[in-house]
Amino acid sequence: RKEVEQDPGPFNVPEGATVAFNCTYSNSASQSFFWYRQDCRKEPKLLMSVYSSGNEDGRFTAQLNRASQYISLLIRDSKLSDSATYLCVADNSNSGYALNFGKGTSLLVTP
Amino acid sequence: NAGVTQTPKFQVLKTGQSMTLQCAQDMNHNSMYWYRQDPGMGLRLIYYSASEGTTDKGEVPNGYNVSRLNKREFSLRLESAAPSQTSVYFCATGLAGGQETQYFGPGTRLLVL
Repeated sequence: RKEVEQDPGPFNVPEGATVAFNCTYSNSASQSFFWYRQDCRKEPKLLMSVYSSGNEDGRFTAQLNRASQYISLLIRDSKLSDSATYLCVADNSNSGYALNFGKGTSLLVTP
Repeated sequence: NAGVTQTPKFQVLKTGQSMTLQCAQDMNHNSMYWYRQDPGMGLRLIYYSASEGTTDKGEVPNGYNVSRLNKREFSLRLESAAPSQTSVYFCATGLAGGQETQYFGPGTRLLVL
């Protein structure tokens, strides 16, 4: 079983729409969670960390539900430039020095 | 600051050839990582180095070796390339320990014929 699982999509949404992604993680001991963004043929880049209390960065809101072991990302007022693959990440506390990356959810925002 | 740099950007090898992928960082980070990314498989950790002088196997280490030359540099070597090693290879760094944000280099695209 993959440590971090995401719906691969693709999610096709019109500009201005609100879209939400969820992912689940299997290691209940994980402490750190992130969302990364990856554009086509580029490296992953940190979008935002995910805190237990939930956090917001502009149009992006991340939530963590430890009881159910899932993480969510909400994007409001989608822009064309939001089109990318979004990777859900949880730390691998078993290894001590690694992050577990989900396979990513593809988002396409259309005019 | 360049952040994390990788060389080469692209490489084509024949089966059985060897090569070394180079990674360097100027972020003064302790941890460095090598990942491979294949379609449908996501990012998979090959090897990591928690600090200068230490290296450990990740999820898919077979067919690879690494060297943490100093704090800045972490190289990945393919001794005898196989078509199954065709992939995009990313180097990443982190400040310390596995729970921190990782920063990625631009990647090396490798094709093994």
